[in-house]
Amino acid sequence: NAGVTQTPKFRVLKTGQSMTLLCAQDMNHEYMYWYRQDPGMGLRLIHYSVGEGTTAKGEVPDGYNVSRLKKQNFLLGLESAAPSQTSVYFCASRPLARTYGGELFFGEGSRLTVL
Amino acid sequence: TQLLEQSPQFLSIQEGENLTVYCNSSSVFSSLQWYRQEPGEGPVLLVTVVTGGEVKKLKRLTFQFGDARKDSSLHITAAQPGDTGLYLCAGATLFQGAQKLVFGQGTRLTINP
Repeated sequence: NAGVTQTPKFRVLKTGQSMTLLCAQDMNHEYMYWYRQDPGMGLRLIHYSVGEGTTAKGEVPDGYNVSRLKKQNFLLGLESAAPSQTSVYFCASRPLARTYGGELFFGEGSRLTVL
Repeated sequence: TQLLEQSPQFLSIQEGENLTVYCNSSSVFSSLQWYRQEPGEGPVLLVTVVTGGEVKKLKRLTFQFGDARKDSSLHITAAQPGDTGLYLCAGATLFQGAQKLVFGQGTRLTINP
């Protein structure tokens, strides 16, 4: 019953360092998403993918890159971390749905601090 | 930009009391979801409402979608400490041809024994 797994769960970076967050799902879902959650701002969409080999920008994509080389994995990269990227990052997935309202399945989150 | 405003942002009440959380927007959504999030975990779906005016009940929780599909409410009857958590509403819309969920900022609910 793994569902959506994020690694690492915690990370501290210095300004300018790079890192990659890994999201893995074992539910054969088509759609995958990366969100960031900041106090008082809810969840904001960074990037998403509608299938293997495809990615698209969300609401707040600047400073992040993503890749989806395999259907089950969605990677979020920070090339040059900035303090404004201190946040909790959530990966989510959902199956291809014919109608709106498909349930998102979330990982447990990755807490990133940029000093 | 589509926005979902939740109110109140914080609510602390005693066990056994009733409460209502509101989720409002000027935009129309095709459906609206409510999630609950506990510390250190990701949000978990409680319910999806699709039809304007729809009411769904989940034990002591009652969810309503506004007639115009722009707003929703969550009512909890006889709140219990186990209801404590962050409640998020999310409206579904199309973004670049794919479904996108717009999240409210959340209501942090604390039920005191």
